[in-house]
Amino acid sequence: EAGVAQSPRYKIIEKRQSVAFWCNPISGHATLYWYQQILGQGPKLLIQFQNNGVVDDSQLPKDRFSAERLKGVDSTLKIQPAKLEDSAVYLCASSPTGGRNQPQHFGDGTRLSIL
Amino acid sequence: AQTVTQSQPEMSVQEAETVTLSCTYDTSESDYYLFWYKQPPSRQMILVIRQEAYKQQNATENRFSVNFQKAAKSFSLKISDSQLGDAAMYFCAYSGTYKYIFGTGTRLKVLA
Repeated sequence: EAGVAQSPRYKIIEKRQSVAFWCNPISGHATLYWYQQILGQGPKLLIQFQNNGVVDDSQLPKDRFSAERLKGVDSTLKIQPAKLEDSAVYLCASSPTGGRNQPQHFGDGTRLSIL
Repeated sequence: AQTVTQSQPEMSVQEAETVTLSCTYDTSESDYYLFWYKQPPSRQMILVIRQEAYKQQNATENRFSVNFQKAAKSFSLKISDSQLGDAAMYFCAYSGTYKYIFGTGTRLKVLA
């Protein structure tokens, strides 16, 4: 089966600019996660979708970050405007139903650098 | 709130030797799962092993095994016969009712 697809692989922007990341989960996976992984740290959950609904966005900085999964398949994460501290790898993951027993399947991530 | 702690930022092991990575967690839940993930330099995170809290038997996957001590809230990963391809960041993760939480990771270096 095809894995989780993410694009772009790398992105360099200046602070205050906007940027968007795209993720296509494994076919049939209802649950989609976006993580922020700052260098030297573990992934931090930004938002979790169940189909096209938001399950958890408690750690999403909503003043600048937004995410959508309109048709319950692929998803877009946007940052506007970007700050220096947003430099990180943004990981997308999916699982079949989001059950606690299910491992997550990760994409390659997008490395974002803010100048 | 649940927490996951990996106290070893970096570990080294000689090829063919055995190494143990530590993980402790804190939770008030009784039904949860614990995972170890591997993140090679290419960045794609992959599952290494999974442990259900209700199972006393330690999980094993080929050269990878865990030492799960529920009362002590400890979940260590043992890698036997270490190989160069085992070099990576290893993350311990907790999956409970509402949260999926990762530790800060341990970088494993394998010396030839």
